[in-house]
Amino acid sequence: EAGVVQSPRYKIIEKKQPVAFWCNPISGHNTLYWYLQNLGQGPELLIRYENEEAVDDSQLPKDRFSAERLKGVDSTLKIQPAELGDSAVYLCASSTRDSGGDEQFFGPGTRLTVL
Amino acid sequence: AQSVTQLGSHVSVSEGALVLLRCNYSSSVPPYLFWYVQYPNQGLQLLLKYTSAATLVKGINGFEAEFKKSETSFHLTKPSAHMSDAAEYFCAASVRGSTLGRLYFGRGTQLTVWP
Repeated sequence: EAGVVQSPRYKIIEKKQPVAFWCNPISGHNTLYWYLQNLGQGPELLIRYENEEAVDDSQLPKDRFSAERLKGVDSTLKIQPAELGDSAVYLCASSTRDSGGDEQFFGPGTRLTVL
Repeated sequence: AQSVTQLGSHVSVSEGALVLLRCNYSSSVPPYLFWYVQYPNQGLQLLLKYTSAATLVKGINGFEAEFKKSETSFHLTKPSAHMSDAAEYFCAASVRGSTLGRLYFGRGTQLTVWP
């Protein structure tokens, strides 16, 4: 079974430029998460989707960050415009309640560097 | 909100020695607790989780953790370290009753294993 897929794996941009990250969750997983991991820190939740609905986005900086999961499968996280402080690793995870599942599965992340 | 503290950002042990990684939570209601491992350029992988009355939890790769309510702790141990255990370890908590909601992570502990 394929795991959570994220692309790109690495991205370098100049400040004020837009950037987008893509996540393909494990097949059949209806819950999708975006976490932000700053250097030397643990991941922090940005947004959680149940199917197409964002059910927890309280930590998403909505002035510059946006996310979508239009068909309840893939998701895109966008930053516009990017700032120096956005340099971090952006992790995507997915999970399902089916068959008693209770684990979040993480992708390898996208490492963003803003110059 | 949950708060998770990992004591020691770096731990070094010799191969074959005991591994002890410390984690404390701060919540009046004991949360669900997790340990994740992250190898370089990879996503987080679940080692073990505490969600029931069994206070001693066994995980993968020979790791185990003991939940101690009186000490608000969930320390991770392994009797004999192996070179392949070198990685970063994260303790996390979620609201009791939900393993698929927001995870609150500690800052991580980098484990180095010397030959």
